[in-house]
Parts: sequence; C-alpha cells; structure tokens
Amino acid sequence: DTGVSQDPRHKITKRGQNVTFRCDPISEHNRLYWYRQTLGQGPEFLTYFQNEAQLEKSRLLSDRFSAERPKGSFSTLEIQRTEQGDSAMYLCASSSWGDQETQYFGPGTRLLVL
Amino acid sequence: DAKTTQPPSMDCAEGRAANLPCNHSTISGNEYVYWYRQIHSQGPQYIIHGLKNNETNEMASLIITEDRKSSTLILPHATLRDTAVYYCIVRAYTGTASKLTFGTGTRLQVTL
Repeated sequence: DTGVSQDPRHKITKRGQNVTFRCDPISEHNRLYWYRQTLGQGPEFLTYFQNEAQLEKSRLLSDRFSAERPKGSFSTLEIQRTEQGDSAMYLCASSSWGDQETQYFGPGTRLLVL
Repeated sequence: DAKTTQPPSMDCAEGRAANLPCNHSTISGNEYVYWYRQIHSQGPQYIIHGLKNNETNEMASLIITEDRKSSTLILPHATLRDTAVYYCIVRAYTGTASKLTFGTGTRLQVTL
C-alpha cells in the first residue's frame, strides 16, 4: 500500500505529558497537511508544508503544538503539556502539483488525554 | 473559499442510487467542487472533484449545475459499505496548495 500512513493509530496519555505523531506521505508528494477532528465535527486545518517549509499555520495551532518536516518527506506533530481539550483525531494528508493538489488522507491518530 | 450547505442526513436502500445534494451559491470561477467521505473512525477518503463539467469515476458521478451554484454526488448502486459522512467542499485551485474547509457533511445511511 502506497497511501499516507500515520503512527501511532491510537495514543492515550495523561494531562501534561508530551506526545509526538508521525506522518509518512505518498511518495513524491511534496505537500503535506495536518488537520484535527473532534467528535461530531469535520476536520479542521492546522498547518501545511511544501517540502521542508511550513507555509501556513492555523490559529488552532497554539504554542504547545509544533510540526516539522525536516527532509521534505515524513512529518512529525508534537503536542507539549497536553490538555484534555487536545483529545481528537489528528489527520495527515498529502498532495502533489500534478494532481490539482487533490489531498489524500491517512487513517489518523486518535489521541485521548486523561 | 465558498461555503457549502448539505442536508445533515439521508437514507438510501441498498442497490439504489444515492443522490447527495450540495449548495454552493457563492462559488467563484476558480473554485472546484470536491467530495470526500469518512467512514466511521477512518480518515477522509477522496471521491471525486470537478470544476464545471460533469465528472465520473469508478466510485461516483458528480453533476454540477450550469450556474455552478449546486452539485449532486451520485453513487449509482449504494451498498452497506457506502454508509459514511459525505463532505462537499469548495476549494480554489490557483496552482498552489490550499487547505480544505470541511463542514459537518451529510450522514448517509444505506439500509437493506
């Protein structure tokens, strides 16, 4: 399977702990996006990368959140000092210029903060 | 990006066509209509997109009205596995990347 992959699929943590999620995009896709989805809502945009450069960040991305894509391939999303309100599904998507930037999503990482 | 309006829920009998409507009356000339679906606890799945012509692929057909103010996603022979939340999204494409703005979608329930 050459789709977008995310790891871990599930994460339970205690409030105040740090967590890190990984996303591996479709090969050759130079654009990578992070979204967050809470129960009953559609996904909300967090940030996106073109190659290594982080080009846009949502206001939802507080100072406790940081995303990286160091070599323009996989990306990590770290949440420091987690809060119960961070409990959500974190989704990653990737796209390429040649496909009119159609975004393809991974399975998501479901985070539960106790 | 233009706002979309979808019914919150719809039912469809298995084997029948599911027609999911979407209104996007403020759509601009460079905005595409995208459809995604999300089966419970999975990531959104891309279905189809179009600008102004009708489009068809192995999953579905997309019918866009001539004035582009509304569209309909058609699943020709719905199965139980098509039960999901369907999102209609309007997004500008100007050759650069841009985010998708999801609403709350239409929850399609396919029944026996």
